[in-house]
Amino acid sequence: QKEVEQDPGPLSVPEGAIVSLNCTYSNSAFQYFMWYRQYSRKGPELLMYTYSSGNKEDGRFTAQVDKSSKYISLFIRDSQPSDSATYLCAMTGSARQLTFGSGTQLTVLP
Amino acid sequence: ETGVTQTPRHLVMGMTNKKSLKCEQHLGHNAMYWYKQSAKKPLELMFVYNFKEQTENNSVPSRFSPECPNSSHLFLHLHTLQPEDSALYLCASSQVGGASRGITGSYNEQFFGPGTRLTVL
Repeated sequence: QKEVEQDPGPLSVPEGAIVSLNCTYSNSAFQYFMWYRQYSRKGPELLMYTYSSGNKEDGRFTAQVDKSSKYISLFIRDSQPSDSATYLCAMTGSARQLTFGSGTQLTVLP
Repeated sequence: ETGVTQTPRHLVMGMTNKKSLKCEQHLGHNAMYWYKQSAKKPLELMFVYNFKEQTENNSVPSRFSPECPNSSHLFLHLHTLQPEDSALYLCASSQVGGASRGITGSYNEQFFGPGTRLTVL
């Protein structure tokens, strides 16, 4: 069993849709949870970061962590074509080594 | 730009060649990382350097040889690679030991370079 499971997609949605991206994990020691966004031909960049359980909102993006279910989500409201990218979840317990999901490829159609 | 540069951006090499990937960070960080990214697979951490000292080697084959001459530069020397080594190689850096983005907790954000797309023929 992989430590972090993420549906690779691809996921296509129309502009303006609400997007839900998810990861599950098995290691209960994880306490830092991140979402990275990777555009084509670019390296990943940190989009959202959450410590422990709860919700965090940043503009159109909301990150949720449910440690009891070992489940994290990223919601994108009013999705835009510029949101088209691969979204990687990542997590760590030691705050140094990150464990990544395989990434979900998202396309937002104009 | 994230402040982490990588050269070359693309590399095609035969199985008997020797080549090197270069990474440079302009962020004043004290830790640098090499990752391998293959299609449909999670990023695989290969090596970690803290203060120029290698602290992690995640069972990487010896045909990959890292070098960190100072805290700003990181190299990955390649020799006698296999076709399955074809992938995107990403370099990242972070500041270990402090909070990032004003968040409570000790997570240190890793900043990634654009990667080197390696093809082994």
